[in-house]
Amino acid sequence: AQKITQTQPGMFVQEKEAVTLDCTYDTSDPSYGLFWYKQPSSGEMIFLIYQGSYDQQNATEGRYSLNFQKARKSANLVISASQLGDSAMYFCAMREGPNFGNEKLTFGTGTRLTIIP
Amino acid sequence: GAVVSQHPSWVICKSGTSVKIECRSLDFQATTMFWYRQFPKQSLMLMATSNEGSKATYEQGVEKDKFLINHASLTLSTLTVTSAHPEDSSFYICSARNAGGGEKLFFGSGTQLSVL
Repeated sequence: AQKITQTQPGMFVQEKEAVTLDCTYDTSDPSYGLFWYKQPSSGEMIFLIYQGSYDQQNATEGRYSLNFQKARKSANLVISASQLGDSAMYFCAMREGPNFGNEKLTFGTGTRLTIIP
Repeated sequence: GAVVSQHPSWVICKSGTSVKIECRSLDFQATTMFWYRQFPKQSLMLMATSNEGSKATYEQGVEKDKFLINHASLTLSTLTVTSAHPEDSSFYICSARNAGGGEKLFFGSGTQLSVL
């Protein structure tokens, strides 16, 4: 079974609108972390936001927020007031187990977001 | 902020040659670095976990004799693609976590390898 599932291969959103990128995950480990990364055409991976499995509140970082629904194993990324520069690939990723510093991330297949002027 | 430098950004080589890719953490120490491979329009697939001062841990299906990893210091890991073939052409990207703590995994800018 896929550990990270991103069901939206591509999305088109009007500039200044909010957008939600879906991510569901599968793990039996009670301790895990969820990440979102942005990959522009240049290829670099840009960290956006992190949510720990024991965090009580949804993570927020500027225009990015993570809608964490633990019972549904869902960790959707919400981008408010989208900008043209938000056009990129977005990857959801998961770290299974506590953070001891050497745990690998498993990535989803990504969503290509295109912001329309 | 923390920076991971990856070099070269792109490389073209002849089939049968070896190519070395460097990954450096510029302002933090990284006891562990990760090497990923990404095919066009696909996700990142972990190849191996590089541990400073010890042997790398390879994912299933990754040939350790073909993809040599050396993590000789707390700030440098190298990936050498030995006897490269066209099917090795891909985007390779490294990442590192600050040994001092934190959840973020910092990525290099990636290396596009094209084997002719």
